[in-house]
Amino acid sequence: GAVVSQHPSRVICKSGTSVKIECRSLDFQATTMFWYRQFPKKSLMLMATSNEGSKATYEQGVEKDKFLINHASLTLSTLTVTSAHPEDSSFYICSARDVVQGAVSETQYFGPGTRLLVL
Amino acid sequence: EDKVVQSPLSLVVHEGDTVTLNCSYEVTNFRSLLWYKQEKKAPTFLFMLTSSGIEKKSGRLSSILDKKELFSILNITATQTGDSAVYLCAVHSDNTNAGKSTFGDGTTLTVKP
Repeated sequence: GAVVSQHPSRVICKSGTSVKIECRSLDFQATTMFWYRQFPKKSLMLMATSNEGSKATYEQGVEKDKFLINHASLTLSTLTVTSAHPEDSSFYICSARDVVQGAVSETQYFGPGTRLLVL
Repeated sequence: EDKVVQSPLSLVVHEGDTVTLNCSYEVTNFRSLLWYKQEKKAPTFLFMLTSSGIEKKSGRLSSILDKKELFSILNITATQTGDSAVYLCAVHSDNTNAGKSTFGDGTTLTVKP
């Protein structure tokens, strides 16, 4: 199946700094990637849809200036948490859909996630 | 607003038991329903269901969709400790060009030896 990687897997930073998380589709091209946030014992909360070559689409309540998304190529999307605060500490997961017979698959392949801890 | 509800929220069984996990949904422009298994990291894909009444099967796991009653079940027979995980149900709709998925809160399954 399709493979999605995320880097870093874990990051600890000081309050006020910015953190960049990379999401890569390793063996397929992804015009669309999704960024999720997951709190302990909770489900995945969609933050935004990342579109290659255009602006991301943010879900209601997600600050676009706080969570900057850049989808510069068909295999890479980045999420930058700007001026991070302790309440931004969470598990961030990206996903992508591959293309099967010319159509975008409805199956999402998830990256392994990035655990962010802001002190 | 699209909605996906899973039940039970948690379940504890012993090895060898059979479990049934439920997922009900209310979405507009339904495309598909997907089941994922999440252990310590990110979810892994189990099944995608698009048609009513057709059972999908993989080893001890099986799933079926009822589009009239708007629900799906995931069955696991002869459970093993390795089945312990959070099982997520997601519904894919066609409300946007990208077609986003709405996830339920998950069912946490614990299988005791």
